[in-house]
Amino acid sequence: GAGVSQSPSNKVTEKGKDVELRCDPISGHTALYWYRQSLGQGLEFLIYFQGNSAPDKSGLPSDRFSAERTGGSVSTLTIQRTQQEDSAVYLCASSLGAGRTDTQYFGPGTRLTVL
Amino acid sequence: KNQVEQSPQSLIILEGKNCTLQCNYTVSPFSNLRWYKQDTGRGPVSLTIMTFSENTKSNGRYTATLDADTKQSSLHITASQLSDSASYICVVKGAGSYQLTFGKGTKLSVIP
Repeated sequence: GAGVSQSPSNKVTEKGKDVELRCDPISGHTALYWYRQSLGQGLEFLIYFQGNSAPDKSGLPSDRFSAERTGGSVSTLTIQRTQQEDSAVYLCASSLGAGRTDTQYFGPGTRLTVL
Repeated sequence: KNQVEQSPQSLIILEGKNCTLQCNYTVSPFSNLRWYKQDTGRGPVSLTIMTFSENTKSNGRYTATLDADTKQSSLHITASQLSDSASYICVVKGAGSYQLTFGKGTKLSVIP
């Protein structure tokens, strides 16, 4: 079936604007993750959803970042009042569960550029 | 602090040659180690997953090794192809956690 999809693929915005990034996980995957990949850096964990449990938001860098997952499927990452340091590739991944060796399948990412 | 260090940062090799990428980690307690391949502009794709008891695992021309005692792993690519040009990311999962710690990756360029 289809893999993880993300939209938009690229987003250019002005400093101070709000942006919404969308992730469609693989159907049936209960776990969903958001990561940020800055230039020359490793992937940075942002937030994790597992089924109907409360999400783990421990990786969100500031209160300007929030995410939700509706109906256990589609997820939206919202960044309010964007700053230039928010420029990065935002990757979404899903896995069947959160078991020890569950493979995370990544989407292509959204490249966010804040001018 | 859990860390994953990879070397070299970048590597250029001729098509058909072999290469080995290195990964050292400090994640403890350890659950498993993964190697991902990330093509430019794409999301990472899993190559191998190795648990504590596994010393080596192959996936086609890719062979990963793990020494859990020294906390080191390597990814060996045999008979490289132009399509192997990508970033290779070492990822470690800690025991009792769903969180992954990512290395910064090794950027491999295979040239004709």
